[in-house]
Amino acid sequence: EVVLTQSPDFHSATPSEKVTITCRASQSIGSSLHWYQQKPDQSPKLLIKYASQSLSGVFSRFSGSGSGTDFTLTINSLEAEDAATYFCLQSSSLPLTFGGGTKVEIK
Amino acid sequence: QVTLKESGPVLVKPKETLTLTCTVSGFSLSNPRVGVSWIRQPPGKAPEWLAHIFSNDEKSYSPSLKNRLTISKDTSKSQVVLTMTNMDPVDTATYYCGRILGTVMVGGIIADYFDYWGQGTLVTVSS
Repeated sequence: EVVLTQSPDFHSATPSEKVTITCRASQSIGSSLHWYQQKPDQSPKLLIKYASQSLSGVFSRFSGSGSGTDFTLTINSLEAEDAATYFCLQSSSLPLTFGGGTKVEIK
Repeated sequence: QVTLKESGPVLVKPKETLTLTCTVSGFSLSNPRVGVSWIRQPPGKAPEWLAHIFSNDEKSYSPSLKNRLTISKDTSKSQVVLTMTNMDPVDTATYYCGRILGTVMVGGIIADYFDYWGQGTLVTVSS
């Protein structure tokens, strides 16, 4: 089973700040890494697919990078509405697994 | 417009069997690239993938729960059903169904990612 380790667990930042979240896989997963945003009492929303592919309808301030075992989600110029928990998901092999999540708070 | 909606009991007793139904709209369960997954999320924790089923009836289960899970679909009703036996209080969670996209290969379908999620249903296990 591929274990995904996210860091940090929690991050507090001010609006307009740049936020970086990392996700490290226990073995190489190529680019089969996807990022989700989950706001309180909502279901997760897909932000980035295949490590770096952006999606229609997702704000351009969200970007992803990485391959192999190390991945990054970057929020350029944080906005108040970005307060949420962010999860990574790997689909390189079954079972599909999620990272533990990073909660982003707005100061 | 793609939507998924979970339905089922909000409260089950320990040792009982949980049956959840996911009703989908906006896409067909006969689409070869599309499947439906069940994912659960205990309060304050990360999501956990449970199982998925694709149009060709190809099924996959979480190894840690495989003995307790059964997933099935009724394409004509646009429904996917998950049963989980021998429920325990640690199974208390919000249960989601999600549309999963797959890549069709010669040997089967490779699961990719969830692009749409239902609203989730909180299931509490308690006597």
